[in-house]
Amino acid sequence: EVQLLESGGTLVQPGGSLRLSCAASGFTFSNYAMSWVRQAPGKGLKWVSAISGSGATTYYADSVKGRFSISRDNSKDTLYLEMNSLRAEDTAIYYCTKVTILTGITSWFDPWGQGALVTVSS
Amino acid sequence: QSVLTQAPSVSGAPGQRVTISCTGSSSNIGAGFDVHWYQQLPGTAPKLLIYGNTNRPSGVPDRFSGSKSGTSASLAITGLQAEDEADYYCQSYDNSLSDYVFGTGTKVTVL
Repeated sequence: EVQLLESGGTLVQPGGSLRLSCAASGFTFSNYAMSWVRQAPGKGLKWVSAISGSGATTYYADSVKGRFSISRDNSKDTLYLEMNSLRAEDTAIYYCTKVTILTGITSWFDPWGQGALVTVSS
Repeated sequence: QSVLTQAPSVSGAPGQRVTISCTGSSSNIGAGFDVHWYQQLPGTAPKLLIYGNTNRPSGVPDRFSGSKSGTSASLAITGLQAEDEADYYCQSYDNSLSDYVFGTGTKVTVL
């Protein structure tokens, strides 16, 4: 069974930093791109970042570009999200998800972890 | 602001059929990118419901079906059940933004 387990969510002050981790199991981790998607309290889903299976290529939403960094350790089957210069608007549940890319026109997220709550507040 | 638009809410009685629309543009759905649907039950993580416009993952009841036409897509739920009460999101890719994009979300209420 494919499982994703996030950790590292906590309360952090504006301007602070935080690293989220996502431990994967049940599939060949290095064969799949991975992504982070966030959901602010009471709001919808927003894509944050993605990384290729090898880790060589990374992608970011404009709202986090230059502040967040996605990485992975394929020897540990673990995905990371390093978040710097955090703002109140970054407050959200951050979900780790496996990306299936079938062709250039179709890629989806499945499964999703249970989420890690990041609260940015003084 | 989301580039895929959904109605905020839809409701129906048990056993009825409801549909949820997802309206995009020529840079996402209209450009040929597939649409996928997710179900988020209260207090839980999203779950893949439909992938590649019309396909159901193993374990998803055939009461759920998806379609796509032009710059829009739809999710239909037939034989509505109380357990279907949840938020539903569409998802695609936008080649103008170079981003994965989600719909605004639709809350389904079973009367």
